Amino acid sequence: GDSVTQMEGPVTLSEEAFLTINCTYTATGYPSLFWYVQYPGEGLQLLLKATKADDKGSNKGFEATYRKETTSFHLEKGSVQVSDSAVYFCALSDLGNNDMRFGAGTRLTVKP
Amino acid sequence: DGGITQSPKYLFRKEGQNVTLSCEQNLNHDAMYWYRQDPGQGLRLIYYSQIVNDFQKGDIAEGYSVSREKKESFPLTVTSAQKNPTAFYLCASSMKGTTLSSYNEQFFGPGTRLTVL
Repeated sequence: GDSVTQMEGPVTLSEEAFLTINCTYTATGYPSLFWYVQYPGEGLQLLLKATKADDKGSNKGFEATYRKETTSFHLEKGSVQVSDSAVYFCALSDLGNNDMRFGAGTRLTVKP
Repeated sequence: DGGITQSPKYLFRKEGQNVTLSCEQNLNHDAMYWYRQDPGQGLRLIYYSQIVNDFQKGDIAEGYSVSREKKESFPLTVTSAQKNPTAFYLCASSMKGTTLSSYNEQFFGPGTRLTVL
């Protein structure tokens, strides 16, 4: 079945460092891909999404490009802030699944 | 404001008791979902519903039950048969996909933290 694999955390960075969180997927169809962010004690918020190959999703300085040839959707940000500290989830949605598949989550801590 | 509400935010239950978690949405979404999240782990799907009066089991449905009598409501009951119910429970909703490519993204509520004493 469809699945998502993302890099294990935790990830600790200094403020203004470059961030990459790797995400790869397995899907039988042609899924849409998502990144969600979860702040402590809260639900998940959609950060960005891409619905077809070579699409780039972007929001709040974060970017991810849908790479069909490598089945990847890596999350990047050029300069992280302390307020970016959260857990990030990669996810896919495929018509055949009737639901959304999530990665295990990657905890990011940004230190001043 | 449109959105998803879950209540209560914190819930305590004695062993052997059933408890019901509320989830309401005013987004006019067709589909609703319940997930369980354990510390340091990802989300696991408990139940989902694509339409009123219909629902399907997810990956970890044992010990849980749901109903979908109204489009905007999808309550989850954690029964005494659930062996390890202490967790963070998240409700989500989405529009059904209108194309053959995929469903739309899911929108999440703030979650309910259930603790069994």
